[in-house]
Amino acid sequence: DAGVIQSPRHEVTEMGQEVTLRCKPISGHDYLFWYRQTMMRGLELLIYFNNNVPIDDSGMPEDRFSAKMPNASFSTLKIQPSEPRDSAVYFCASSFWENTGELFFGEGSRLTVL
Amino acid sequence: AQSVAQPEDQVNVAEGNPLTVKCTYSVSGNPYLFWYVQYPNRGLQFLLKYITGDNLVKGSYGFEAEFNKSQTSFHLKKPSALVSDSALYFCAVSEGVSGGYQKVTFGTGTKLQVIP
Repeated sequence: DAGVIQSPRHEVTEMGQEVTLRCKPISGHDYLFWYRQTMMRGLELLIYFNNNVPIDDSGMPEDRFSAKMPNASFSTLKIQPSEPRDSAVYFCASSFWENTGELFFGEGSRLTVL
Repeated sequence: AQSVAQPEDQVNVAEGNPLTVKCTYSVSGNPYLFWYVQYPNRGLQFLLKYITGDNLVKGSYGFEAEFNKSQTSFHLKKPSALVSDSALYFCAVSEGVSGGYQKVTFGTGTKLQVIP
């Protein structure tokens, strides 16, 4: 398996623009997570899905953030409109929790909002 | 609420020497404990976990960790450090209950620098 695949790896955009980050989880995994990593706040869980259903979005910072998982092999995290404080590395992770108890992370999407 | 503390922002160790990266945790029930490693510009990679059983857990790349219930600690260790072990290490905890995923709480990370 190729692992968790995220795109784009790098995104530079201007304040006010819409940003869409994409994730393909590992096949067979039933949980999908979106994390944000910054120097100031460390690793933060934004939202997670189980069997494509959002379970906990309490970590989503504002209404400007939204996430979807239309099927088992694809998820998006959208920021609209983007702000400079959204600059961070966004990680997607997937898990077959009951089997392994491990999270498998993608390589991340580094977002810079100017 | 569960929490993880990694008291050292950075650990420096000479190549060939043993290394320890410290982690203490707080959780209401039985803990699931994890160590992850992050290399520059990469995602986190799973190293090892403690679910139940033997308190000494062996993982990838020669790392091991010891679960100490009385001290609520789960320190990461390696007998002989390599320069290639230099990375950011995260300890994480989850409440160990059956029935599905329980939220994983990550520590703030410890930067390990192995000096040649």
